[in-house]
Amino acid sequence: SAVISQKPSRDICQRGTSLTIQCQVDSQVTMMFWYRQQPGQSLTLIATANQGSEATYESGFVIDKFPISRPNLTFSTLTVSNMSPEDSSIYLCSVEGESSYEQYFGPGTRLTVT
Amino acid sequence: GQNIDQPTEMTATEGAIVQINCTYQTSGFNGLFWYQQHAGEAPTFLSYNVLDGLEEKGRFSSFLSRSKGYSYLLLKELQMKDSASYLCAYDSGGGADGLTFGKGTHLIIQP
Repeated sequence: SAVISQKPSRDICQRGTSLTIQCQVDSQVTMMFWYRQQPGQSLTLIATANQGSEATYESGFVIDKFPISRPNLTFSTLTVSNMSPEDSSIYLCSVEGESSYEQYFGPGTRLTVT
Repeated sequence: GQNIDQPTEMTATEGAIVQINCTYQTSGFNGLFWYQQHAGEAPTFLSYNVLDGLEEKGRFSSFLSRSKGYSYLLLKELQMKDSASYLCAYDSGGGADGLTFGKGTHLIIQP
């Protein structure tokens, strides 16, 4: 399985500011995914990030609010822009395993917006 | 539309067996995942069913009926460490999609 790390592990931010979350994988992967898990809720897919192309966003998520970079096959960033308390959540990156049906998750970034 | 349902919470006894059900409705479907998530941790992969039937993996088994839009996760010989949330999720196809998750079932194991 892939080993995935995220930075920061947690942060407390003021409303109106932006935070960039980094996701690093120990092997090259084609597909990377960003999810959000709000308190007491399950995971919701934000976007799919392929290297060399624009990220594909799910309904309800837009690039201006959640810009994503995917500069190479082992790294991606998600920025949460102009934050509000409603953005308080855990943000997780995920990658496909060697078998395309496996998806592995990073440890998550716990964001609190005050 | 997309819809995936599972019970919010279940309680079981150490050493017993528990079955967590998941139903889904979706226009595109490739396969059904089960993940385990302990509090404060990332989800960990348990199983993936593409074909109808039961797949057994140690103490955990997962079943899928594509025609009924139904899956279950069966946990045997329950241990206290099995206390966690169990998430079902489907892959809507194409091999390049993220997953659609249910809200998770919080499983409480009692001595």
